Amino acid sequence: SQQGEEDPQALSIQEGENATMNCSYKTSINNLQWYRQNSGRGLVHLILIRSNEREKHSGRLRVTLDTSKKSSSLLITASRAADTASYFCATVAGSARQLTFGSGTQLTVLP
Amino acid sequence: GAGVSQSPRYKVTKRGQDVALRCDPISGHVSLYWYRQALGQGPEFLTYFNYEAQQDKSGLPNDRFSAERPEGSISTLTIQRTEQRDSAMYRCASSDNYNEQFFGPGTRLTVL
Repeated sequence: SQQGEEDPQALSIQEGENATMNCSYKTSINNLQWYRQNSGRGLVHLILIRSNEREKHSGRLRVTLDTSKKSSSLLITASRAADTASYFCATVAGSARQLTFGSGTQLTVLP
Repeated sequence: GAGVSQSPRYKVTKRGQDVALRCDPISGHVSLYWYRQALGQGPEFLTYFNYEAQQDKSGLPNDRFSAERPEGSISTLTIQRTEQRDSAMYRCASSDNYNEQFFGPGTRLTVL
């Protein structure tokens, strides 16, 4: 079953603009992670935020976590055509070790 | 360095046949996970191992699915008597720290 739901399902922006994707989840979590999947390729880990953290940065990526609302957002600044991909949030909850993924946001960055 | 590898990359089989999908994790990674991904969806958990011990198989859809990791390294996911609904991308991931997981390229299974 899917834990998270990403919003929007699809997003199209111009190169240089910022892209924001949101993720909502259902149960209490230990951490939340964002992954990128390029067309026809594997999933690549982008960033992890723990349940006691509210914001984290990595390069052009900024992730926020609001555990009271059970939601997270991923901001990609100054987007590039190479950022075109599907982005998934995934949670780790309780004693489980596996990731529970959302349904993903398809981001298209137009040159 | 070598990442997670999976073989075969593509598998086409006829309904009723058995298939075995292989995963070779990053050397030294304790944990190995199997996921299944339908088109347009996120991966769904199947099962995972720490070393050779299967820790959780709650995601395996039915008893036609099984997995093993006998020496704590390479793992095989076996689907017996395949059905068309088993068609999907099967992904393997490994981890050494219960945090980020490193995914392989996947095996695209098509059951005719």
